[in-house]
Amino acid sequence: DADVTQTPRNRITKTGKRIMLECSQTKGHDRMYWYRQDPGLGLRLIYYSFDVKDINKGEISDGYSVSRQAQAKFSLSLESAIPNQTALYFCATSDHGPSEGVQYFGPGTRLTVT
Amino acid sequence: AQSVAQPEDQVNVAEGNPLTVKCTYSVSGNPYLFWYVQYPNRGLQFLLKYITGDNLVKGSYGFEAEFNKSQTSFHLKKPSALVSDSALYFCARGGAGSYQLTFGKGTKLSVIP
Repeated sequence: DADVTQTPRNRITKTGKRIMLECSQTKGHDRMYWYRQDPGLGLRLIYYSFDVKDINKGEISDGYSVSRQAQAKFSLSLESAIPNQTALYFCATSDHGPSEGVQYFGPGTRLTVT
Repeated sequence: AQSVAQPEDQVNVAEGNPLTVKCTYSVSGNPYLFWYVQYPNRGLQFLLKYITGDNLVKGSYGFEAEFNKSQTSFHLKKPSALVSDSALYFCARGGAGSYQLTFGKGTKLSVIP
């Protein structure tokens, strides 16, 4: 969905490096999410934010941190990358009201930690 | 804890035949159930959802899903498969007032010409 963009799309980094993944949305949604996808494991929630001042840990937050700089921007950081953080990372947004629960995903960032 | 299960890692179906992708959910409250599709090198796209009402839900691209409370299932169906339906399909559940979704592990659908 072009309304949700992620940068970079691909990244290779070394163990121990700090890396930031960025997400921007033009949908005007309050809620934003970060997931990681691993083959055979589906999507797992890392962090989610209901507004700029409301950030919550998800299922697998260890080793990650986030920043909600504005309603439209939600960044994911790996403070010290390790190889088992190699995965496909997705940002998503959602709204409330009639479309409750429907999430809109960005194209993903493929991260490789060597 | 809320959970969903997709018992099949892969489903193969001939073009033109009906397809079914299975999903079962944990019994906890009134579930909100969703199907998403992921095409290669793309993010997930919403297909359809069930919150309340008719047990048969119609969605995008001719897909539909049937909510079966007694069997705790929400199988995705399409009467006639297309090669372009080949993709990874995810079932997900949420709950009233909760905007978090729990995803299944995904089922790879291959439609054979």
